Amino acid sequence: SQTIHQWPATLVQPVGSPLSLECTVEGTSNPNLYWYRQAAGRGLQLLFYSIGIGQISSEVPQNLSASRPQDRQFILSSKKLLLSDSGFYLCAWSVQRRFGYTFGSGTRLTVV
Amino acid sequence: GEDVEQSLFLSVREGDSSVINCTYTDSSSTYLYWYKQEPGAGLQLLTYIFSNMDMKQDQRLTVLLNKKDKHLSLRIADTQTGDSAIYFCAETDSGNTGKLIFGQGTTLQVKP
Repeated sequence: SQTIHQWPATLVQPVGSPLSLECTVEGTSNPNLYWYRQAAGRGLQLLFYSIGIGQISSEVPQNLSASRPQDRQFILSSKKLLLSDSGFYLCAWSVQRRFGYTFGSGTRLTVV
Repeated sequence: GEDVEQSLFLSVREGDSSVINCTYTDSSSTYLYWYKQEPGAGLQLLTYIFSNMDMKQDQRLTVLLNKKDKHLSLRIADTQTGDSAIYFCAETDSGNTGKLIFGQGTTLQVKP
């Protein structure tokens, strides 16, 4: 069966520190992969998506970046975190449009 | 661009029916989705409806689609306290990327 793993679940980082969040998918090949951010009390903002290895599309200009070094691995990074980067980060994958997305359990990032 | 709108809050009593409404802008959306997010968790796909359908029923859930008005609703029969969560409406974007456009989410509060 297909599963998605996202870690860590919670992270507290100081301003200016680097960030690396990892997401891996099991049980499927060539998925579309997505990173979303959910600020407190708000909806979901699409940050990046990828339809293949090494292919990244950015939706919102910011100090975050994403990479897809392997088919089922999607990484969200930052060289220097800002306070405004705090939020709940969700990874998701999809294969067939009618099934929508499957989301990971999320990472709660607090930048202090 | 595409936009999805939902009311932010709904409060019902246990045992009543809940109706969560959503409007969308992209008439070419193939699928429309309802997701549920419990506190601190990722999003869980509840149900989806294909754009050539008017209604879909799945146990306590009924989805109604009015394509003319671009209106989607989710009815939960016999609402339980465990249904308390944030419900997101989503549509597929007009491109071929599989991206979903989410509404802001409706917080459903179920009072005992």
